[in-house]
Amino acid sequence: ILNVEQSPQSLHVQEGDSTNFTCSFPSSNFYALHWYRWETAKSPEALFVMTLNGDEKKKGRISATLNTKEGYSYLYIKGSQPEDSATYLCALGNAGNMLTFGGGTRLMVKP
Amino acid sequence: EPEVTQTPSHQVTQMGQEVILRCVPISNHLYFYWYRQILGQKVEFLVSFYNNEISEKSEIFDDQFSVERPDGSNFTLKIRSTKLEDSAMYFCASSGQGHSNQPQHFGDGTRLSIL
Repeated sequence: ILNVEQSPQSLHVQEGDSTNFTCSFPSSNFYALHWYRWETAKSPEALFVMTLNGDEKKKGRISATLNTKEGYSYLYIKGSQPEDSATYLCALGNAGNMLTFGGGTRLMVKP
Repeated sequence: EPEVTQTPSHQVTQMGQEVILRCVPISNHLYFYWYRQILGQKVEFLVSFYNNEISEKSEIFDDQFSVERPDGSNFTLKIRSTKLEDSAMYFCASSGQGHSNQPQHFGDGTRLSIL
C-alpha cells in the first residue's frame, strides 16, 4: 500500500501572504505526481502533472516543484487571495494512471 | 469547457438495496475511473476502465461492485447490495489517455448515504 502524506493538514493565512505545503511519497517506481485544487461542493480541478525529477511548473501565482529521489513535492502560492481557499490534493500516479491520494491541505485565506 | 457530469448529486438508499451511480465522461475521453471518499478519510481509487474492460481495480472493488459503459456516453457504477460502510462521496473521472502523465477530469461527485 502506497503512503502519500501531505502537510500541514490545514493552514490559515492572511490575504497577500505567500505559502507552501508539502506532499511526500515513496520514491521507488515513480511515474507521476498530480496536484489538484478542490473547492467545497465542486469537482477537484487538475493543477499540475509532474513526471521528471527537478520539474518546476507554474500556473499564475501557483507553482510546484518535484524531487523524486527524496520523494517530495512542494506547492507554492504567491500572494494568497481569498479565492485560493480550497483543499489542495496531491496524488501519486502509477503506470496505469491509478491515483493514490494524500489527505489534502486545507487552505483558508482571510481577507 | 467540457466537463464530467454525475447524477444524482445525492442518493439515499436502504441497506441491502442496489444502487447505480451515473457518469457522463468528457466526450472524446477513453479512460474512465471511479474513486470514493468516506467522510474524514482520503480519496480512494476503486476502478479504471478502458475499451469496455476493467484495467485495474483496488481491494475495495469486490464482487458487490460492477462498472459498465451501457452506451456511447454513460459510465455507471453499480453496488449490488449496499452496506452502511458504502456511505461515501463517489467521484467519476476521465482522461484522454491512460498514461500516468495525463490529468484526470473529475465530476462533482455523488453523495451516497446508506440507511
